[in-house]
Amino acid sequence: GAGVSQSPSNKVTEKGKDVELRCDPISGHTALYWYRQSLGQGLEFLIYFQGNSAPDKSGLPSDRFSAERTGGSVSTLTIQRTQQEDSAVYLCASSLVGGLNEKLFFGSGTQLSVL
Amino acid sequence: TQLLEQSPQFLSIQEGENLTVYCNSSSVFSSLQWYRQEPGEGPVLLVTVVTGGEVKKLKRLTFQFGDARKDSSLHITAAQPGDTGLYLCAGAWGQNFVFGPGTRLSVLP
Repeated sequence: GAGVSQSPSNKVTEKGKDVELRCDPISGHTALYWYRQSLGQGLEFLIYFQGNSAPDKSGLPSDRFSAERTGGSVSTLTIQRTQQEDSAVYLCASSLVGGLNEKLFFGSGTQLSVL
Repeated sequence: TQLLEQSPQFLSIQEGENLTVYCNSSSVFSSLQWYRQEPGEGPVLLVTVVTGGEVKKLKRLTFQFGDARKDSSLHITAAQPGDTGLYLCAGAWGQNFVFGPGTRLSVLP
């Protein structure tokens, strides 16, 4: 596609339920990042995928959070047993090869609200 | 503790004024990026600076990377309402990027 696509754009769920957030990166981009942005805050790194390498999961806040990337393309971020503090905008970004001077292309995010 | 600090946190100015926002750290970064984010959208890259002391200009925006590569500034000349948004700096860290908390700029017509 022309840009990074995230779905759903909005998700309202009840505390304790599981949610899945999807990211479709730009075609051909090998690096994919997930970030979380709480209201009025900057971006908090969650996880990074680069090609076939083991993902960098160092930013995941708890074992309730997991992510996978199938076939080097689409990624799914799963939050189990959601808590109210999980409410935030979840942003996905991709870049061509993942180098540190690379340009990150962001999706519009998924606004998650946990009631 | 934030690796990157940004100041001011909020800034509201009139159209036509000049402004500078800052990004500071106690750590050295191999590169710094500046992004602008509008409501309901993801951040969009404005510039990447990689060399200490580097100055880059993008129309009315001037970006500077500190000599020690620990800080950066963004100067906007003759601000316009279209400049309104959240300005984020991001530093290359390990294999990914760490972001500052941002400066929220509002330019009033």
